[in-house]
Amino acid sequence: GIQVEQSPPDLILQEGANSTLRCNFSDSVNNLQWFHQNPWGQLINLFYIPSGTKQNGRLSATTVATERYSLLYISSSQTTDSGVYFCAVVSGTYKYIFGTGTRLKVLA
Amino acid sequence: SQTIHQWPATLVQPVGSPLSLECTVEGTSNPNLYWYRQAAGRGLQLLFYSVGIGQISSEVPQNLSASRPQDRQFILSSKKLLLSDSGFYLCAWSGPRTEKLFFGSGTQLSVL
Repeated sequence: GIQVEQSPPDLILQEGANSTLRCNFSDSVNNLQWFHQNPWGQLINLFYIPSGTKQNGRLSATTVATERYSLLYISSSQTTDSGVYFCAVVSGTYKYIFGTGTRLKVLA
Repeated sequence: SQTIHQWPATLVQPVGSPLSLECTVEGTSNPNLYWYRQAAGRGLQLLFYSVGIGQISSEVPQNLSASRPQDRQFILSSKKLLLSDSGFYLCAWSGPRTEKLFFGSGTQLSVL
């Protein structure tokens, strides 16, 4: 089946710093989403982005489907950005397969 | 608008006891439904998915089972829990064409 790898696995930032999270996938995908899992375990939808670029406030995402990767940009990070970021892809039908995650900690 | 309900939020069960976790979706029809499990500090593992009533696909061999008795109801069960069944269980739904995926609030299961 499709493999989804995320990098870096762990990231520590000072508040106000910028960061780029990467998601690589081993096969063509139909859909791709980015999620943020907060410290209470809630999974929050960030972007639905099978291709192209989207922005939402301090966050933006780009997916280059032909090269099998997606990037999540976080600018001017805040302590509330801490948590785990997952990308998830659909290859074929029905199943969302999750990446390995990036654990982010933002220090005040 | 669509909402997803999952309960209970936490559960402590002895080894060998049965399990039943329920998930319901409101505000949509014919959703795809999913059960994921997350071990502590790990990623999300897809356990089961369903594209219609009575249709269940299993992704991981284990002593868990799933059922979909109604269009918007998804149940995760076990006859006898193992220690290794401990984890954070998440129910999710998407539209029938598997567009965006939305999660419930999860159940933290501890098997002792």
